[in-house]
Amino acid sequence: DVKVTQSSRYLVKRTGEKVFLECVQDMDHENMFWYRQDPGLGLRLIYFSYDVKMKEKGDIPEGYSVSREKKERFSLILESASTNQTSMYLCASKYDTGPYEQYFGPGTRLTVT
Amino acid sequence: GENVEQHPSTLSVQEGDSAVIKCTYSDSASNYFPWYKQELGKGPQLIIDIRSNVGEKKDQRIAVTLNKTAKHFSLHITETQPEDSAVYFCVVDGSARQLTFGSGTQLTVLP
Repeated sequence: DVKVTQSSRYLVKRTGEKVFLECVQDMDHENMFWYRQDPGLGLRLIYFSYDVKMKEKGDIPEGYSVSREKKERFSLILESASTNQTSMYLCASKYDTGPYEQYFGPGTRLTVT
Repeated sequence: GENVEQHPSTLSVQEGDSAVIKCTYSDSASNYFPWYKQELGKGPQLIIDIRSNVGEKKDQRIAVTLNKTAKHFSLHITETQPEDSAVYFCVVDGSARQLTFGSGTQLTVLP
C-alpha cells in the first residue's frame, strides 16, 4: 500500500515564525502536492511538483514556498506565519501526470497564534 | 481556471435510503472525474472515478454518472450504511495537470 506520511498531526506556531511541513511518500511517485483544507472551501492547491527540483504554483501560493530535493520528500514552507494560515494542510502523491489516484497523508492541523 | 460547484453541502439520509451528490464544472477539456471520501481525522481517499468516454460506472453500492454536454456529474450511493457517513468531494482533472476539488458534501446516515 502507498503510504504518505506528514511530520506532525498538530502544530502550534506564533505569528512571524518560519514553519516547515514535511511530507514523505514511499511509492516512488513522480507527482506530489500540497493542499490546504478549510470548511466550506474544499481542498485548494498551494503548490505541486511533477519531478525532483520542479515546482508549480497552484491556486493559492501566496505566503508559501516549497522544496523537493529528493523524489520521496516534499516540504511546504511558511516563511512568516500569519493567523490566516491557520488551517488543515494535506500532502498527496500520485504516480505520474494523468488520470491516476492521488494518495493523501493524514493532514497537519496548523494553528498560528 | 477550472471551477467546480458541488451540491448539497450537507445531506442527511436514513439508513438504507439513497444519497445523491451533484457537481458541475466549467472546463470542457476536462476528461477525468474522480470522487474522494474523507473520514474524520483522515486524508481523502478515492472511491470511484469516471473518464469522459463513459457515461456511467458502478461499483457495488456506488455509481457515478457523467453528462459531458451539460458538464455535470453525480455520485449515487444506494442502501446507505452508517459507515458511509463522511465528507465526499467531487474532483475534476483538467488540462492544467492539477485536480480541482468541489467544496465537499457532509453525508450523515441516520440509524
